[in-house]
Amino acid sequence: GDSVTQMEGPVTLSEEAFLTINCTYTATGYPSLFWYVQYPGEGLQLLLKATKADDKGSNKGFEATYRKETTSFHLEKGSVQVSDSAVYFCALSKIYNQGGKLIFGQGTELSVKP
Amino acid sequence: NAGVTQTPKFQVLKTGQSMTLQCAQDMNHNSMYWYRQDPGMGLRLIYYSASEGTTDKGEVPNGYNVSRLNKREFSLRLESAAPSQTSVYFCASSEARLGPNEKLFFGSGTQLSVL
Repeated sequence: GDSVTQMEGPVTLSEEAFLTINCTYTATGYPSLFWYVQYPGEGLQLLLKATKADDKGSNKGFEATYRKETTSFHLEKGSVQVSDSAVYFCALSKIYNQGGKLIFGQGTELSVKP
Repeated sequence: NAGVTQTPKFQVLKTGQSMTLQCAQDMNHNSMYWYRQDPGMGLRLIYYSASEGTTDKGEVPNGYNVSRLNKREFSLRLESAAPSQTSVYFCASSEARLGPNEKLFFGSGTQLSVL
């Protein structure tokens, strides 16, 4: 079935370090891909998305490129800040006759130290 | 600017007790969802409602029931709670049925412990 796999956390970085969080997917057809972020004590919120191959989603300095050949959607940021500490979820969308749903990866916790 | 509101925020139950988690959205969204979040497993879909009057099972529906009371409200009921249902529960909504450009709006979650 369709699935999303993320690198395991926690990931601990110093402020201004480069961030990569790996995400790969398995799906039939051409899903859209998303990154959601969950700050402590809050619900998830959309960070960025890409709807077709080679699209690059970007927001708040984060970027991810939809790579169909490697079925990947890795999240990157050039210089992380303490405020980026959160749990990051990769997800793909799946459409059915009755509606759609998101399939999430297991989440990767990021901790940024000053 | 409430968005998606869930109640309660915390709940402790004994095995066999029942309870209902409430969810309401004020964005006039058509679709609503219930997820559970467990360590190392991400979010898993329990039930969803593509539109008012319809509900469908997700990945992990056993032990749960839902009611789409009206367009705004979507409740999740545990009839006989079990320790395996200890989790954080999130309600979410989307404007329309999920497609390439739809995004989910999440509530802040309900932390449920079943002893």
